[in-house]
Amino acid sequence: GIQVEQSPPDLILQEGANSTLRCNFSDSVNNLQWFHQNPWGQLINLFYIPSGTKQNGRLSATTVATERYSLLYISSSQTTDSGVYFCAVVMSGNKLVFGAGTILRVKS
Amino acid sequence: EPEVTQTPSHQVTQMGQEVILRCVPISNHLYFYWYRQILGQKVEFLVSFYNNEISEKSEIFDDQFSVERPDGSNFTLKIRSTKLEDSAMYFCASSDLLIPRTGGNTEAFFGQGTRLTVV
Repeated sequence: GIQVEQSPPDLILQEGANSTLRCNFSDSVNNLQWFHQNPWGQLINLFYIPSGTKQNGRLSATTVATERYSLLYISSSQTTDSGVYFCAVVMSGNKLVFGAGTILRVKS
Repeated sequence: EPEVTQTPSHQVTQMGQEVILRCVPISNHLYFYWYRQILGQKVEFLVSFYNNEISEKSEIFDDQFSVERPDGSNFTLKIRSTKLEDSAMYFCASSDLLIPRTGGNTEAFFGQGTRLTVV
């Protein structure tokens, strides 16, 4: 099956810093989503981005489908950005295959 | 904004007992899913459901599990005889299209999860 790899596995930032999270996938996909899992365990949709670039406030994402990767950019990080960031790709049948996540800690 | 809702948020059950986890998907969505996340691990697909039948299921989804859409709004996951290793966060999700045949949006939206603890 498809492999979804995220890097780095852990990241500690000082408040205000910028960061880039990466998601590599091993096969062509129909869809890619980024999620933020908050400390209460909720999965919050960040981006639905099969290709191209999208921005939402301090967050933006770029997917280069032909090269099988996606990047999530966090600018001016805040403590509320802490949590786990997952990318997930969709194969046929619409099931999402998740990566292992990046654990982000933003320190004040 | 429409959202997927799950109940209960937390359930503790004794090993061997049956549990039913409930979900109300987004109202105009047609495709429903259950995922689970064992503590500290990645989110794993369990089952997808469309047109009142299972579309796909993973190897995790064995005979102990079943899904049902008992009415026009609810979607349930039943575990017949819980085991310790069933302890996990269970997420329901929904989307409005399968693969985008006409350029539609297949984005999946997740509920807040039910944390199941089997003791």
